[in-house]
Amino acid sequence: GQQVMQIPQYQHVQEGEDFTTYCNSSTTLSNIQWYKQRPGGHPVFLIQLVKSGEVKKQKRLTFQFGEAKKNSSLHITATQTTDVGTYFCAGQETGSNYKLTFGKGTLLTVNP
Amino acid sequence: ETGVTQTPRHLVMGMTNKKSLKCEQHLGHNAMYWYKQSAKKPLELMFVYNFKEQTENNSVPSRFSPECPNSSHLFLHLHTLQPEDSALYLCASSLTGVGTEAFFGQGTRLTVV
Repeated sequence: GQQVMQIPQYQHVQEGEDFTTYCNSSTTLSNIQWYKQRPGGHPVFLIQLVKSGEVKKQKRLTFQFGEAKKNSSLHITATQTTDVGTYFCAGQETGSNYKLTFGKGTLLTVNP
Repeated sequence: ETGVTQTPRHLVMGMTNKKSLKCEQHLGHNAMYWYKQSAKKPLELMFVYNFKEQTENNSVPSRFSPECPNSSHLFLHLHTLQPEDSALYLCASSLTGVGTEAFFGQGTRLTVV
């Protein structure tokens, strides 16, 4: 079955440093989604990428979808303490019209 | 508030108890999911229902029994659980279609004693 790998598992940064998490799928995806889960909270949708090579920005967050539609990355510029949480990627396999396969997530902690 | 409501928020149960978790959404979604989240295996997909039909069971032990009476409600019936079943149980829903996002409930924190 489809597998989605995400690295690193943990990342600790000083406030103001950049942060990147990477996601790789074993199969080609129709789209990839990113979610954020704050400590004690539940995953919340951030963004979706659909097109090969697509890049989207949300303020300090930059999301990329690979040309082969099998990998993605999330980059945060100049982290803030409010960025703390676990970031999950979730891939929807080509041919599936509802099932999402989540990566294991990257837990980001930010030292003020 | 995501539109997906889970009850109870916290549950402590003994290994011989029977309890049920409830999930409700009125977003018009037709796919519903149960996930288990623990320190060892974040976001482990358990069951998927699409239009009330179970389409996926990820080798979940039979002590977990899902029920989906309609597209708005999803239950997870629990019996004779083990301490290692203690975790956060998250319900999610989505539309059926390519590129539809999942909306998560706030979860039920289950402790098995």
